[in-house]
Amino acid sequence: QSALTQPASVSGSPGQSITISCTGTNSDVGRYNYVAWYQQHPGKAPKLMISEVSNRPSGVSNRFSGSKSGNTASLTISGLQTEDEADYYCTSYTSRGTRVFGGGTKVTVL
Amino acid sequence: QVQLQQSGPGLVQPSQTLSLTCDISGDSIFSSSAAWNWVRQSPSGGLEWLGRTYYRSKWYNDYAESVKSRITVNPDTSKNQFSLQLNSVIPEDTAVYYCARDYADAMDVWGQGTTVTVSS
Repeated sequence: QSALTQPASVSGSPGQSITISCTGTNSDVGRYNYVAWYQQHPGKAPKLMISEVSNRPSGVSNRFSGSKSGNTASLTISGLQTEDEADYYCTSYTSRGTRVFGGGTKVTVL
Repeated sequence: QVQLQQSGPGLVQPSQTLSLTCDISGDSIFSSSAAWNWVRQSPSGGLEWLGRTYYRSKWYNDYAESVKSRITVNPDTSKNQFSLQLNSVIPEDTAVYYCARDYADAMDVWGQGTTVTVSS
C-alpha cells in the first residue's frame, strides 16, 4: 500500500488560511469517508484534529476544517496562529482493511 | 479519560524480536467501538501504521503489507492490554513506536511513544 501524497511543506503568515492536500486512490481516500488528520509537534505524539473527513473532535479549534473531493482530501487551517506550526499527517482506511498515512506536511508560520 | 501506557525495551539486537506492551486505562480492550493499533515513526519522520487488534464477538487482526510476515498484535484480556511483536528486526526497524486507540475510525488516544533502536 503506497503512502498517501501530501506536499512536503506549506507556509503562511499569521491570520492567513492555508490548505494541505492529501491524495490517494479509489481504493482508499476515494472509496471511504474515513480520512483523518493529525497534528504533531516535535517530540510529541500525534493529536487527532479531524476524523471522518470533516468531523472535529471536542476541544479542537474550529479554525481547522476538512473536506474531500474524489481521491483528494484537504485540511484547511484558517486564521493561522504561531501554535499551528507543526507537522500534519492524513490517514485513510483502505480496501484491504488496513490504514495508510500520508508522508506528512510541515506547516511553517512566517 | 482513556490513557495508554507503553512499556518495553529501547534496544533490540538485529534478527531478534521487538516486543512492546500497551496498558489500557479508562476503556476495555473488549470495546465494540474500538480497535487497538501500533504505529511507528522512523528517524526520517514519517508515520507508518503497522497493525491492530479488535473484538467484534471474536478477535480480529489487520496488518500492514510491509510487515505482515513479521508482526503479531495480541490482546491480553486478563491485563486489559495489548502487545506488539516484530520478528527478525533489522536496523531499518529503528523508530519511535506508538500504540493508539482507534475509535470511530480515527486514532483518538495515543501512548507516549517508545524509542526502539535496533543495533548490536
